[in-house]
Amino acid sequence: AQKVTQAQTEISVVEKEDVTLDCVYETRDTTYYLFWYKQPPSGELVFLIRRNSFDEQNEISGRYSWNFQKSTSSFNFTITASQVVDSAVYFCALSGFRSNDYKLSFGAGTTVTVRA
Amino acid sequence: GAVVSQHPSWVICKSGTSVKIECRSLDFQATTMFWYRQFPKQSLMLMATSNEGSKATYEQGVEKDKFLINHASLTLSTLTVTSAHPEDSSFYICSARLLTWREETQYFGPGTRLLVL
Repeated sequence: AQKVTQAQTEISVVEKEDVTLDCVYETRDTTYYLFWYKQPPSGELVFLIRRNSFDEQNEISGRYSWNFQKSTSSFNFTITASQVVDSAVYFCALSGFRSNDYKLSFGAGTTVTVRA
Repeated sequence: GAVVSQHPSWVICKSGTSVKIECRSLDFQATTMFWYRQFPKQSLMLMATSNEGSKATYEQGVEKDKFLINHASLTLSTLTVTSAHPEDSSFYICSARLLTWREETQYFGPGTRLLVL
């Protein structure tokens, strides 16, 4: 069974602060995908990143960065110099790698509020 | 990224009526689409997997006869909530699976808010 845990329910920061969102996962698969999605108040899910389990390189995209640690089954997400527009619910998700095992298992989500 | 649309974006209906929600992949073909349900302040729960040209696969606890899914083409899946009741009020989100030689990602539609009175 696959399971994704986002222990932080809500995080509130002041603009320009950094914020790190934790994600811990469980899976029996040796290869899998990990994702982060953003859900702003409008409700639409925005794809942020997909990471293959065999690629442990950390990634940076603008103010976003991701830290994948296979040894601890974690895939944490950091927003640097946060902005008010970053306020949203962020979901970490996991899916199998095989073509017949691509269902997404979502974490409970972390609500990020960035105050001006 | 790829674009997925949903229609309508919101709907209010009377108890006992049926509501159809459309999910379209606009710039790619999707043999597989997914339907999720999200209650306020909760995560997304997968309801069913919609496969083009075959029957949908429902998750445990989801009533097949209540939530009818049709995936008649590579760009369109529909979810019909039959005989809707107030407890069916929720945010319904679809996703379409983009599968190429270098990418395998689900792209989500903007969601449909259903309110059953």
